[in-house]
Amino acid sequence: AQTVTQSQPEMSVQEAETVTLSCTYDTSESDYYLFWYKQPPSRQMILVIRQEAYKQQNATENRFSVNFQKAAKSFSLKISDSQLGDAAMYFCAPREDLTTSGTYKYIFGTGTRLKVLA
Amino acid sequence: NAGVTQTPKFRILKIGQSMTLQCTQDMNHNYMYWYRQDPGMGLKLIYYSVGAGITDKGEVPNGYNVSRSTTEDFPLRLELAAPSQTSVYFCASSSTTTWWPQHFGDGTRLSIL
Repeated sequence: AQTVTQSQPEMSVQEAETVTLSCTYDTSESDYYLFWYKQPPSRQMILVIRQEAYKQQNATENRFSVNFQKAAKSFSLKISDSQLGDAAMYFCAPREDLTTSGTYKYIFGTGTRLKVLA
Repeated sequence: NAGVTQTPKFRILKIGQSMTLQCTQDMNHNYMYWYRQDPGMGLKLIYYSVGAGITDKGEVPNGYNVSRSTTEDFPLRLELAAPSQTSVYFCASSSTTTWWPQHFGDGTRLSIL
């Protein structure tokens, strides 16, 4: 089974600045998917960005990008031009296949609470 | 709006009571899931279903039961509520396309006193 570690319980960033959230994981699989989810106070889990492990190119979605280091099993999230609406819990979530059924589950870490300062 | 709908949003139960958390989705997704989120933690999978009539256990199934009689609905039942089941419960669904993310409901906050 995969495991995931988010070593930063809380981070703060000034509005309009850049912040990086770290994530390391452990897996025995060679091909897998990695996701970052955002959970604002409303509790809704919102997909931020995804990365396929077989792709060398780092994923980018507008102000969000990842630094994926497959050999180091590291998957950090960079948020540029931070906005007040970015304040939330962020979960790194490797995806693990439920092999006998063809579907999958997420392995969630303990999350990083991001505060955005005006 | 299309999505995953959970009811109720909040509930307080006494120890030993039973209840059913409802989950329905209108996206015609085959896959549905129940997760629980304990304070300060990520989500853990309780049960999942790959289609009507098919369910399977996740990481933390003890104390829960599920059924899947239709594609749309995936209720989660607590038979004998215990304080350890105090948590926020999320239902999710996904299509059969490989990478599609799971669509989550807004969660049900359940307290067992």
